[in-house]
Amino acid sequence: GESVGLHLPTLSVQEGDNSIINCAYSNSASDYFIWYKQESGKGPQFIIDIRSNMDKRQGQRVTVLLNKTVKHLSLQIAATQPGDSAVYFCAESPAGTALIFGKGTTLSVSS
Amino acid sequence: DTEVTQTPKHLVMGMTNKKSLKCEQHMGHRAMYWYKQKAKKPPELMFVYSYEKLSINESVPSRFSPECPNSSLLNLHLHALQPEDSALYLCASSQAPGAYEQYFGPGTRLTVT
Repeated sequence: GESVGLHLPTLSVQEGDNSIINCAYSNSASDYFIWYKQESGKGPQFIIDIRSNMDKRQGQRVTVLLNKTVKHLSLQIAATQPGDSAVYFCAESPAGTALIFGKGTTLSVSS
Repeated sequence: DTEVTQTPKHLVMGMTNKKSLKCEQHMGHRAMYWYKQKAKKPPELMFVYSYEKLSINESVPSRFSPECPNSSLLNLHLHALQPEDSALYLCASSQAPGAYEQYFGPGTRLTVT
């Protein structure tokens, strides 16, 4: 089975709202985590990453939070826009090995 | 140039055909990857090339044969595929193998008839 998963398969928000997408991981040896956005018909696009020596990292309109105690990762998108509509995948790298992807959350943004 | 290119974009092939998927990157990355992605599912790792050598084969059937002619190119040779092999095939590259951001190409949509 997959060691990384997302809590909700779908998330619907209104334009301008903040979105939070959650991910649970099971491998305590994972030391690198990454979020990807995949739009229909395209390959995954890097959003933000975080290493296990950090618990928060911010990018442009996005923040990733890592809680190693409960093995939880989240992606926060501020002021969500229709262009943010996509499938979001979290992925982990156990001890520097290849990425393992979670199941994905489909974010739908209505205006 | 932060782009990974893949050709062709779409491919339809019969079960007796032989075809190849191509992937190219010019970022100087030393790790390259092949993934298979079914609809509404996450990418599944197939192969990893590290410094032009095959380092990971995730128990992929032999009808899929990867090749890395040089550090910028990655091929996936296809032969005697099954309809269930129809999927989006994604190529990715990273600076080095392991815990680094992977850059993905747009994928090849493969249909096996």
